[in-house]
Amino acid sequence: EPEVTQTPSHQVTQMGQEVILRCVPISNHLYFYWYRQILGQKVEFLVSFYNNEISEKSEIFDDQFSVERPDGSNFTLKIRSTKLEDSAMYFCASRPGTATEAFFGQGTRLTVV
Amino acid sequence: KQEVTQIPAALSVPEGENLVLNCSFTDSAIYNLQWFRQDHGKGLTSLLLIQSSQREQTSGRLNASLDKSSGRSTLYIAASQPGDSATYLCAPGRNEKLTFGTGTRLTIIP
Repeated sequence: EPEVTQTPSHQVTQMGQEVILRCVPISNHLYFYWYRQILGQKVEFLVSFYNNEISEKSEIFDDQFSVERPDGSNFTLKIRSTKLEDSAMYFCASRPGTATEAFFGQGTRLTVV
Repeated sequence: KQEVTQIPAALSVPEGENLVLNCSFTDSAIYNLQWFRQDHGKGLTSLLLIQSSQREQTSGRLNASLDKSSGRSTLYIAASQPGDSATYLCAPGRNEKLTFGTGTRLTIIP
């Protein structure tokens, strides 16, 4: 069964460093997303991406964040200069069309020290 | 701004019982609503998607209902099993965004 895959599963980085989280969405999907979940809190929307551009972003997704689909299969989230409060589980998701079922990856746990 | 509340926050029931999880949301202008399960520290597994035009959706032992006008959804789990133990999240969707509740942590006692 097709699935969204994320790498790495866990990343530890020093404050101020740049990190790139990687995702391979399901192959025929057109809409891509990043969400995050701070430990013990709700899952929060960060950004949606369609047709090679951001279609919606939350207040959390400030200038420190960027997304890219560098080729036909990968979808990345970059955090330019990490802060302690960026520590969270980051989930990638994809869906085949608008208002269809969203499929999530297993997440990347980011720890900023 | 959409606010999603799930009640109860935690629930423990003996194996074999039927149970209902509740979700309420403040903005009824949604396109659909999706239910997920999350095992501790793991990813989100999609269980059911209900479109805004539907009243309910079934998958195996799971049945989800949606009353969009009153901002409510329920997830019914029949004949619960220990493997159903997880946190269940509801997420109404509008535009390209899902808004998640805090979840119901379900424990099925063998």
